[in-house]
Amino acid sequence: KAGVTQTPRYLIKTRGQQVTLSCSPISGHRSVSWYQQTPGQGLQFLFEYFSETQRNKGNFPGRFSGRQFSNSRSEMNVSTLELGDSALYLCASSRGLAGGTGELFFGEGSRLTVL
Amino acid sequence: AQSVAQPEDQVNVAEGNPLTVKCTYSVSGNPYLFWYVQYPNRGLQFLLKYITGDNLVKGSYGFEAEFNKSQTSFHLKKPSALVSDSALYFCAVRGISSNTGKLIFGQGTTLQVKP
Repeated sequence: KAGVTQTPRYLIKTRGQQVTLSCSPISGHRSVSWYQQTPGQGLQFLFEYFSETQRNKGNFPGRFSGRQFSNSRSEMNVSTLELGDSALYLCASSRGLAGGTGELFFGEGSRLTVL
Repeated sequence: AQSVAQPEDQVNVAEGNPLTVKCTYSVSGNPYLFWYVQYPNRGLQFLLKYITGDNLVKGSYGFEAEFNKSQTSFHLKKPSALVSDSALYFCAVRGISSNTGKLIFGQGTTLQVKP
């Protein structure tokens, strides 16, 4: 069974540009969440989607947005990139409506470098 | 507010010796607790979780964790460390009453196992 797939794995952008990251969850998983990982701030929650609806949102500026499609695939977008957006962006999926006892299954991440 | 503390940035242990990675948590009500491991340039891999029942939980790769409600702790343990266990370890919590899959992560502990 394929795991969570994130694309691209690595990308370099310049300040002011925008970026879109993609995540394909494990087959049958309907919940997708996104986390930002940086050395200084650790793992911070960005958003959570279930059945194309955003269920929860972290404390990030409006430049960070996301969506989920009917096949459960998800994308996140960061507009007007800043140097501080350089991070590893991790996508995670879980089987049902997120919450409760289920663990999250993480992808390998998309490493974004902003120059 | 929910929070997780991993008091040690790094734990060093000799191969073959027992290891402990510490975690304490704060959550309203009962918690669901998780441990994840991250190898360099990889995503997070699920190790084990505590939901209810026996306070000693066994997980992948010979790891186990002990839930202590009175001390609000969930320390990760392994009887005999391997060099290949060297990685970054994250403890995470989700409140039992939470209606979201969001996990709150600790800052992570780097485990170094020396031959």
